This record gives sequence, C-alpha cells and structure tokens, in this order.
Amino acid sequence: GAGVSQSPSNKVTEKGKDVELRCDPISGHTALYWYRQSLGQGLEFLIYFQGNSAPDKSGLPSDRFSAERTGGSVSTLTIQRTQQEDSAVYLCASSHTQGADYGYTFGSGTRLTVV
Amino acid sequence: DQQVKQNSPSLSVQEGRISILNCDYTNSMFDYFLWYKKYPAEGPTFLISISSIKDKNEDGRFTVFLNKSAKHLSLHIVPSQPGDSAVYFCAASRYNSGTYKYIFGTGTRLKVLA
Repeated sequence: GAGVSQSPSNKVTEKGKDVELRCDPISGHTALYWYRQSLGQGLEFLIYFQGNSAPDKSGLPSDRFSAERTGGSVSTLTIQRTQQEDSAVYLCASSHTQGADYGYTFGSGTRLTVV
Repeated sequence: DQQVKQNSPSLSVQEGRISILNCDYTNSMFDYFLWYKKYPAEGPTFLISISSIKDKNEDGRFTVFLNKSAKHLSLHIVPSQPGDSAVYFCAASRYNSGTYKYIFGTGTRLKVLA
C-alpha cells in the first residue's frame, strides 16, 4: 500500500480482555516498529522486527504484551488481560532500511481505551 | 529516565516569525537525531534529520542545529506558517547491532497564530 495501515483505528475494551492490533507496513519495507504514546508522554518504543532476525523486544512493558510478524509483512501486537494503564495510542512504523537517515513512516495509530 | 527531553510542552508564534523548538538529550553515544511533526489523529511524519558529524542541516524553511557539547538540538522554522501548527517530536538514536532504535521526547505543541 501507499502508507502504513493500522487497524482498528479505535478500540474500547473491558479490563481483563485480550486485544489484537494490526499493522500493514509499506510494501518492501523490511523493518517494522511498534511504539505507544500514553497521555502526556513521548513515543515509547515497544518492539522492532528486521527481516528474518529475532525481534528486539526490549521495550515490551510486561509479558502480557507480545507481537509477531508473519511472512515479513503484516504484524500483530497482542495485549492479554488488558489493564487501564494500557490505554494509549499504539503506533506502528516501517522503514526501508534499519532506521536510516530518513526515519520511519508511521501509521495513524490505534487508540486503545481500557475501561 | 528520560533520555530525550523537550522541556517546553507548548509554544505560540506569530505567523511569519521564527519558531524555535528545543530538545536536550543525556546519552552522548547518540549519533543520529530526527524531528517529526504530528497532526491530530495522524501518525508522526518525518521532517528533518541530522547526524552527529554535522552541526547544521537545512531543508527549506526548516533547519536543525546540533550542539554536541551541550547535548542539545533545536529546530528552527522560518517563516512560520499556520499550517506548521502541530506537535513536534525530537528523537535520538545510537546505531547498535544493525539497527537504529529511536528514543522520542514528549513533544512540543506549536501554534502559529495568523
């Protein structure tokens, strides 16, 4: 596609439920990143995929968070047993190389609200 | 531990004047810096970058300055236009094991007054 596509754009879920957020990167981009932005905070790194290499999961805040990237393209971020502090905008980004000097292309994000 | 700081949450500037957005970082190993612009309900969009081997990079109305000794960078927008009103994030990274993993500041909301 022309840009990074994320779905859903908005998600309201009850505390304790599991949610899946989807990211469709730009075709041909080998690197894919997940960030989140909580209210009043900057963009917090969560996880990074590069080709077939093992993902960098160093930013995942707890073991309730996981992500996978199938076939080097679409990625799914899963949050199990959601908590209210998980409420945030979850942003996916992709890049042609490993970050490079023109940064990432971000999607519009998924706004997650846990009630 | 906030490694990238944008201490001004908001800034208002008159149209046609210069906007200066500031960013400080703590890790002297950072070697690449970016500025992103974000409109409401949209993802951040890349604006301009600078590597640590330079102290200035210019792209049209946008110039980024890097002061490595002070661990400080700034984004200048001249002249400012109402369409520049957005939240601006600075980001810093160190190339490590084949990847750039950017750490973002909390953002500065710029409002350009017509």
